[in-house]
Amino acid sequence: DIQMAQSPSTLSASVGDRVTITCRASQDILAWLAWYQQKPGKAPQLLIYQSSILETGIPSRFSGSGSGTEFTLTISSLQPDDSAIYYCQHYHYYPWAFGQGTKVQIK
Amino acid sequence: QAQLVESGGGLVKPGGSLSLSCTASGFTFSHYYMSWIRQAPGKGLEWLSYISGSSSTTYYVDSVKGRFTISRDNAKNSVYLEMSSLRDEDTAVYYCARARGVDGFDIWGQGTVVTVSS
Repeated sequence: DIQMAQSPSTLSASVGDRVTITCRASQDILAWLAWYQQKPGKAPQLLIYQSSILETGIPSRFSGSGSGTEFTLTISSLQPDDSAIYYCQHYHYYPWAFGQGTKVQIK
Repeated sequence: QAQLVESGGGLVKPGGSLSLSCTASGFTFSHYYMSWIRQAPGKGLEWLSYISGSSSTTYYVDSVKGRFTISRDNAKNSVYLEMSSLRDEDTAVYYCARARGVDGFDIWGQGTVVTVSS
C-alpha cells in the first residue's frame, strides 16, 4: 500500500506570508494527488486535483505542484480564512490514502 | 446544487452492527463512483471503501475488509455502508463522498457520528 507523509504537522505564519506544505508518497503516484482543506466541524473541501489543477471556485492564491513522490501545496499570500487543516490524498491505486494533515495557524 | 446527506449514525456496543446511508441530490448519481471516509476524534482522514457507478467494483481498506460492506441503489440515489463486528476504534465521523473520476472527492456529506462503546 502507498503511504502519504505530510510536513510540517503544524505551521504558524502571518497574514500575507507565503506558505508551503509538502506531501511525500512512499511510491511513484505520477500526478494522482489531491489536496483538501478542512475547517473545524466541517467536511473537507477539495482544493486541487491531479497535483496542480485548481478546483472551480478556489482562490488563485492556492497552487499545487509535483509529480512522482514529492508534492507541494502553496498559499501565495496567507489570509485569515486559510486557518485550517490541509490533507493530501493519493488516488493512484487502491487503497487510496490521505496524509496525516498539516494544521495552518495564523500568528 | 449537488448534495450528499448521511444518516444512520449512533451509539453501538462493541461487536454490534450499524448501517449508514447517504442520499444524493442535484446530480446524476449513477454516473459517479462513491466512497466512504471516516475521521476518528481529533485524528486525520481515513479512506474506507469505494463502489463503482454500476456496483460492479468495490474496494476496501484492510482495517474494515470483511467487516464493512458498501452498496448502492441508483434508483434511490443512495449509497450504504453496512458495518458489523464493530470495535472501539471504529468510533468516528463517517463521511460519504463523490469521486469525480480520478479528480478527487469533490462533494462530501456533512458526516454522521458513529460511537462504539459499552
